[in-house]
Amino acid sequence: ETGVTQSPTHLIKTRGQQVTLRCSSQSGHNTVSWYQQALGQGPQFIFQYYREEENGRGNFPPRFSGLQFPNYSSELNVNALELDDSALYLCASSAAQNTGELFFGEGSRLTVL
Amino acid sequence: TQLLEQSPQFLSIQEGENLTVYCNSSSVFSSLQWYRQEPGEGPVLLVTVVTGGEVKKLKRLTFQFGDARKDSSLHITAAQPGDTGLYLCAGEKGTYKYIFGTGTRLKVLA
Repeated sequence: ETGVTQSPTHLIKTRGQQVTLRCSSQSGHNTVSWYQQALGQGPQFIFQYYREEENGRGNFPPRFSGLQFPNYSSELNVNALELDDSALYLCASSAAQNTGELFFGEGSRLTVL
Repeated sequence: TQLLEQSPQFLSIQEGENLTVYCNSSSVFSSLQWYRQEPGEGPVLLVTVVTGGEVKKLKRLTFQFGDARKDSSLHITAAQPGDTGLYLCAGEKGTYKYIFGTGTRLKVLA
């Protein structure tokens, strides 16, 4: 069974640029959630995708957007990057038949200069 | 806005000591989870508590959900260096949508 994989693991961007982060969910999981974890803090919920539709969103501006594909993999896009966007971006997958456990990837660490 | 406050924020103890981490909120959650996160990795689920007053034990770790389902605690007995990590509580606010706590960074010294 393949776990949640994210790419890239590290990247550096400058203010104003755009970034796309990718996530492959665990086999059999149809729900993907994205979290932002600033240094020294707990993860903050960005949004969730279920069967290719956005299914809930946290307190993040519209320049944070996402997609889910038919194979349940997902992308997180951030436009007009700001310095405060520097963080670890975590993808978590889950399935309707489990007990609510989120299975996290190792994250993509974004640095905005 | 963090709805879940954890305390203490940092904890450094000697191997063999006991410790308790607290997770408090003014909100009611349908369930609460505890995760441990190690450097360079994503959080890994330790336990889920659902019923008010519920107590679960996982080897040397004891988890309790408050009667009103607003708070929780994690107690570790005889801590070991392998327990070192960031401990996160997470309250469920919808199907698979979780509000994470501020985190408690634990370091156990040999």
